[in-house]
Amino acid sequence: GENVEQHPSTLSVQEGDSAVIKCTYSDSASNYFPWYKQELGKRPQLIIDIRSNVGEKKDQRIAVTLNKTAKHFSLHITETQPEDSAVYFCAASELRDSTLTFGKGTMLLVSP
Amino acid sequence: DGGITQSPKYLFRKEGQNVTLSCEQNLNHDAMYWYRQDPGQGLRLIYYSQIVNDFQKGDIAEGYSVSREKKESFPLTVTSAQKNPTAFYLCASSSFYREVYTDTQYFGPGTRLTVL
Repeated sequence: GENVEQHPSTLSVQEGDSAVIKCTYSDSASNYFPWYKQELGKRPQLIIDIRSNVGEKKDQRIAVTLNKTAKHFSLHITETQPEDSAVYFCAASELRDSTLTFGKGTMLLVSP
Repeated sequence: DGGITQSPKYLFRKEGQNVTLSCEQNLNHDAMYWYRQDPGQGLRLIYYSQIVNDFQKGDIAEGYSVSREKKESFPLTVTSAQKNPTAFYLCASSSFYREVYTDTQYFGPGTRLTVL
């Protein structure tokens, strides 16, 4: 089955800095890669996703890049703000059953 | 997100008891999923259902059971066979287009189960 590795497990940045979280996947059949943000005690919420026919996608301060050859994808957050502090999860899915395999998460702390 | 509800928010169980967690959605989604979340472990898939009256085991199905009698409902039973059931349980739903398109999964607010 699919295996998703996520790094780093924790990330501390100063407000205004950029943050990058990286994930690798094992199954070359995976073609959908969402990123979720989860605040303490709350439900995960989708912040951005990318499909295998696209190499990069941006939404304001958030961007995701995908390298299918190397089987890795990354989340980039620019101009970080304290409200960006949360746990971020990457995931991978293939068309066969549309289930998601999640990474173990990255706790992002943005200090004022 | 507001279209997926889970109840109760907190649940306490004594060892040896079965408990059922509720998940309801009004998004007209075909597919529903149950995940378990432990600190530092991410989300792990317990069971999923892509159509009424059908469901499949996920990665950690042992000690759990589900039913899908209605499109909008997918209850999860945590049985006494589950050795370490204390966790945060999340339900999700999505549209389903087999081998055509993977749709976004939307999550419910979760149920925190504690075994006393």
